[in-house]
Amino acid sequence: GQQVMQIPQYQHVQEGEDFTTYCNSSTTLSNIQWYKQRPGGHPVFLIQLVKSGEVKKQKRLTFQFGEAKKNSSLHITATQTTDVGTYFCAGMNYGGATNKLIFGTGTLLAVQP
Amino acid sequence: SQTIHQWPATLVQPVGSPLSLECTVEGTSNPNLYWYRQAAGRGLQLLFYSVGIGQISSEVPQNLSASRPQDRQFILSSKKLLLSDSGFYLCAWSEVTVTFFGQGTRLTVV
Repeated sequence: GQQVMQIPQYQHVQEGEDFTTYCNSSTTLSNIQWYKQRPGGHPVFLIQLVKSGEVKKQKRLTFQFGEAKKNSSLHITATQTTDVGTYFCAGMNYGGATNKLIFGTGTLLAVQP
Repeated sequence: SQTIHQWPATLVQPVGSPLSLECTVEGTSNPNLYWYRQAAGRGLQLLFYSVGIGQISSEVPQNLSASRPQDRQFILSSKKLLLSDSGFYLCAWSEVTVTFFGQGTRLTVV
């Protein structure tokens, strides 16, 4: 079945350093979404990318969708302690009875002040 | 605006006891509804999804079942809990593509 892998599983950075997490799907995706889960909380939607090669920015966060629509990345510039949490990508293939999101394995980001 | 309610927030249950977690969505009609489970420090595993009343699809074989008795109500159940059922259970709904999660229920089976 379809799998979505993320690397790294865990990253510890000093505040102010940059951070990148990579997401790879075993199949071509219709779109990719990113979610953030704070410790003890629930995942919260960040952004959705639809077009091949699309790049979107949210303040210090930059999201990219690969040309082949099988991979994506999230880059955080100058991390802050508020960036702590687990970042999940989630891929979707249209079709079937419902549009199911397949979540990646997640990357846990720890930021040391 | 749409909101999703999930309760209880935490639950401690003995092995062999039944389980019922309830989730309701407000402000939308005929949503796709989902139950996810997240083991400690792990990713999100899709357990069940529903596209309408009485329509349930199971993603993985397990000790749990789901029901959708009303359009905006989704229930996760078990007749007899196992230790391995411990985890963080998340109800979610989707509109077109974006998924919105409830606050989650942290279940500990002892």
